[in-house]
Amino acid sequence: NAGVMQNPRHLVRRRGQEARLRCSPMKGHSHVYWYRQLPEEGLKFMVYLQKENIIDESGMPKERFSAEFPKEGPSILRIQQVVRGDSAAYFCASSPVGLNTGELFFGEGSRLTVL
Amino acid sequence: EDQVTQSPEALRLQEGESSSLNCSYTVSGLRGLFWYRQDPGKGPEFLFTLYSAGEEKEKERLKATLTKKESFLHITAPKPEDSATYLCAVQRYNFNKFYFGSGTKLNVKP
Repeated sequence: NAGVMQNPRHLVRRRGQEARLRCSPMKGHSHVYWYRQLPEEGLKFMVYLQKENIIDESGMPKERFSAEFPKEGPSILRIQQVVRGDSAAYFCASSPVGLNTGELFFGEGSRLTVL
Repeated sequence: EDQVTQSPEALRLQEGESSSLNCSYTVSGLRGLFWYRQDPGKGPEFLFTLYSAGEEKEKERLKATLTKKESFLHITAPKPEDSATYLCAVQRYNFNKFYFGSGTKLNVKP
């Protein structure tokens, strides 16, 4: 009964490179949320997706960041031309339906370090 | 704008020393308030959901309460294994995201 799976757990990139973070939601969950956490700070909402649809991307930076959740396969958060300020922990969470039913289930996070 | 403020930022307790963590919120149309526990290097783990003022939830040494402006997480006779960062989050009706506070880092000394 696997939980939310994220990979890689740790990723190191040089400035200007691309980072791809993957998230497989819990079995039976079709809603995925991405959050970013800076050291000693709370979680900041980035984007909410259902299968093949972006529902709310109001927390996503307008440039360099994109997210998808294809019909088959994991959700992917893509960061192009990374800068040092992108260094953070990126958490994925899933829920079985929309958030009207309760809590989010979080993965262990992907920690991005930009050199 | 919705705001969630947690206090204190850090709390050091001796084992067995009870205390409370605070989560103050400003949100239009609160649908739910959520408490999570986060261990270092891990993802947040769900603890409680509170939906209306006056509601209380308990789990082992933890009890969460809710008023119209704030929530408290009471820790009774804590143990070292309760050491973690406790996060509070709020959700508005018809919105698909949680607003998280910055957390309270709890350290329980044996």
